[in-house]
Amino acid sequence: DADVTQTPRNRITKTGKRIMLECSQTKGHDRMYWYRQDPGLGLRLIYYSFDVKDINKGEISDGYSVSRQAQAKFSLSLESAIPNQTALYFCATSKRLDTQETQYFGPGTRLLVL
Amino acid sequence: GENVEQHPSTLSVQEGDSAVIKCTYSDSASNYFPWYKQELGKRPQLIIDIRSNVGEKKDQRIAVTLNKTAKHFSLHITETQPEDSAVYFCAPYSGGYQKVTFGTGTKLQVIP
Repeated sequence: DADVTQTPRNRITKTGKRIMLECSQTKGHDRMYWYRQDPGLGLRLIYYSFDVKDINKGEISDGYSVSRQAQAKFSLSLESAIPNQTALYFCATSKRLDTQETQYFGPGTRLLVL
Repeated sequence: GENVEQHPSTLSVQEGDSAVIKCTYSDSASNYFPWYKQELGKRPQLIIDIRSNVGEKKDQRIAVTLNKTAKHFSLHITETQPEDSAVYFCAPYSGGYQKVTFGTGTKLQVIP
């Protein structure tokens, strides 16, 4: 979906480096999420935000931090990258509706930590 | 939080056969039941969804059925084709300020 973009699309970094992954959306959605996907596995929630002033930890937040700079932007930081953070990272957005929660995913960022 | 399980975790079918994937959830307040498809190397995308006041929904070769009493819903794919090969995720939702919980995923392989 071209309305949810992620930068960079691919990143190679070294152990101990701090890196930032960025997500932007033009869908006007209030909710944004960061997921991690390891090869052959499912989607694990890292952090989520229901509006600009709201940040919540997901199931695997250790070693990560986030910033919601604006409604349209949600950044994920790895404070000190380690090799087991090598994975595919997805950003997703949704619009708050009481009867529906459809998530729209960005194209993903492939991260390799050496 | 919500416990969501999918079965089977992997499924191989011959082209033209049917495939069924089941999603079991724990939150009785869940009222929205979507299925996402993730093709190899791509992002997950919604393919079909159903709300709690509907028992079944069809869209060409795919359908979703819901059993709220037993707290499970299923994805049915008929006349499978090689392009149906992908990982499928369920993600039941209970509304309000609850977050979505994705199922563990089912890898479907359609053998030509």
